[in-house]
Amino acid sequence: DTAVSQTPKYLVTQMGNDKSIKCEQNLGHDTMYWYKQDSKKFLKIMFSYNNKELIINETVPNRFSPKSPDKAHLNLHINSLELGDSAVYFCASKGGLEQYFGPGTRLTVT
Amino acid sequence: QQPVQSPQAVILREGEDAVINCSSSKALYSVHWYRQKHGEAPVFLMILLKGGEQKGHEKISASFNEKKQQSSLYLTASQLSYSGTYFCGTEMFNGNNDMRFGAGTRLTVKP
Repeated sequence: DTAVSQTPKYLVTQMGNDKSIKCEQNLGHDTMYWYKQDSKKFLKIMFSYNNKELIINETVPNRFSPKSPDKAHLNLHINSLELGDSAVYFCASKGGLEQYFGPGTRLTVT
Repeated sequence: QQPVQSPQAVILREGEDAVINCSSSKALYSVHWYRQKHGEAPVFLMILLKGGEQKGHEKISASFNEKKQQSSLYLTASQLSYSGTYFCGTEMFNGNNDMRFGAGTRLTVKP
């Protein structure tokens, strides 16, 4: 069973479009995250949720809106996509001390 | 707020040893180490806690110097499978769930 899953794995879209990425974890963890990894491999935290509540909201354009319908799911919706949004987006979940990453979604904006 | 890793890149021959360092200007509660292979997600290796012991995982071990707020990852007798980018992630408080990552160290092991 996959612990942290994301869909889709690849997303190619044009500038100005709106897209969503879904994340689910079956580990029973309370905390979930979104990270952005750019072309230089830098992993930057975007959002953190604990039990459906937003805990961390880094300096991210408000075109990005996370939603946590329950503690096993954390989705990311992006409005008006820009070229600079192209990156790999990782969902992660944390229970206790250990944090696990999903497989990533490679977003390409053309 | 993110930790600083060094070196940025290391190239080794199989069987050689390497050390990757991670330091913070702030007091830390925990240091996490991950390895990421190309096109894959970061994979958890180990965690070191304030006041905790040195950890080990196969031939990979790590230490945490609380006074200096530094952690080091030791890879001994490296294998080809060790190639990848190593990240340290740090948390300042227990339970604040705010993990910040260093810029990564790219390790290449050659035959």
